[in-house]
Amino acid sequence: GENVEQHPSTLSVQEGDSAVIKCTYSDSASNYFPWYKQELGKGPQLIIDIRSNVGEKKDQRIAVTLNKTAKHFSLHITETQPEDSAVYFCAAFIYGGSQGNLIFGKGTKLSVKP
Amino acid sequence: DGGITQSPKYLFRKEGQNVTLSCEQNLNHDAMYWYRQDPGQGLRLIYYSQIVNDFQKGDIAEGYSVSREKKESFPLTVTSAQKNPTAFYLCASSIGGFGDSPLHFGNGTRLTVT
Repeated sequence: GENVEQHPSTLSVQEGDSAVIKCTYSDSASNYFPWYKQELGKGPQLIIDIRSNVGEKKDQRIAVTLNKTAKHFSLHITETQPEDSAVYFCAAFIYGGSQGNLIFGKGTKLSVKP
Repeated sequence: DGGITQSPKYLFRKEGQNVTLSCEQNLNHDAMYWYRQDPGQGLRLIYYSQIVNDFQKGDIAEGYSVSREKKESFPLTVTSAQKNPTAFYLCASSIGGFGDSPLHFGNGTRLTVT
């Protein structure tokens, strides 16, 4: 079936460094790619999303890039801070059935060391 | 504040008992969802509902049931037929469908069945 692969599963960086998380998807018709941040004991929160008609989107220290040809998209966090430590999930909207589905990657646990 | 309320935060049940998890939203969203989260597995869709009195099975619906009698409420029942019910359960809502608008998540209910 359709799936979303996310790498790495864990990532440790020093405060101030950049962090990059990569995802690949299988359905070439996918057109919506959100990223969620989940802090311990809480539900995921949307941090940024991108649609297939653009190649890059930025929001302050966070950016997402999309390569439709290669079917992969990436989350970039610059100038990381300890409060960026969390689990990050990518997702891709997959067509199929009556409503389609949002397929999530398995998550990346980011640790930012002060 | 608008949002999604899941209760209780922690729930303990004996094997063989049915249990109902509550999810209420005051965002006036039409669509609501239930996800299951297991360590290292990402989020998997159990059921979703696009409008009142209508709901669809997700990827792992076996052993679960839902109802959508009111726009604000989407309770999930974990039945005794669910073979591995211990998990973190997340409820979400959105204005539109999967590919149209972002999901807003509650803070989850951690169910432990012994």
